[in-house]
Amino acid sequence: GESVGLHLPTLSVQEGDNSIINCAYSNSASDYFIWYKQESGKGPQFIIDIRSNMDKRQGQRVTVLLNKTVKHLSLQIAATQPGDSAVYFCAENIAGSGGSNYKLTFGKGTLLTVNP
Amino acid sequence: GAGVSQSPRYKVAKRGQDVALRCDPISGHVSLFWYQQALGQGPEFLTYFQNEAQLDKSGLPSDRFFAERPEGSVSTLKIQRTQQEDSAVYLCASSPRDRLLSPPPKTQYFGPGTRLLVL
Repeated sequence: GESVGLHLPTLSVQEGDNSIINCAYSNSASDYFIWYKQESGKGPQFIIDIRSNMDKRQGQRVTVLLNKTVKHLSLQIAATQPGDSAVYFCAENIAGSGGSNYKLTFGKGTLLTVNP
Repeated sequence: GAGVSQSPRYKVAKRGQDVALRCDPISGHVSLFWYQQALGQGPEFLTYFQNEAQLDKSGLPSDRFFAERPEGSVSTLKIQRTQQEDSAVYLCASSPRDRLLSPPPKTQYFGPGTRLLVL
């Protein structure tokens, strides 16, 4: 299943399935993107990042895809586990903006629920 | 190892009351950020400190919001005359990098947040 972060903020999958979480970012000048995981009662935790000169980056069980043409970002989680249940946020940044390169702009988020 | 800590974890305030939220960043981290996260939303940038200097406060929603980091470590976010719309989770993050170094901002480590409810 798929979820668009802004319009379909929930995604429910079975344990062991692959999950795809989508995000439409807003600023065409953004050149650095991060996915965060936020569990209930905790702060956001870094998952994976990607720069705009790449269209794909893989981590452990996670893959981020970037389509700059349509300003779309996705997070793929392989073999989803109950511990993956959380809200997932994409964040964008203009890394080359000199003095303001610290600013992150977060999307609304998608709630992922993994059923055992 | 100690991460970013925030206190209190929960705060209930009556409308009009002043509140102070504390952030203890990771020791030695140069940069400190405050974010506001409304229910069901992503965090929104409030302000940024590099050591004790507040370099950016463009995200503070009104002059009722004030942040300080006088000794370049612990920071306090103060909200005066709280309003119901101030109800949110306030997140603090710290980073070992200063703004002039190459990112990535992934090195922002977040605390657990303070959940503020204004009645």
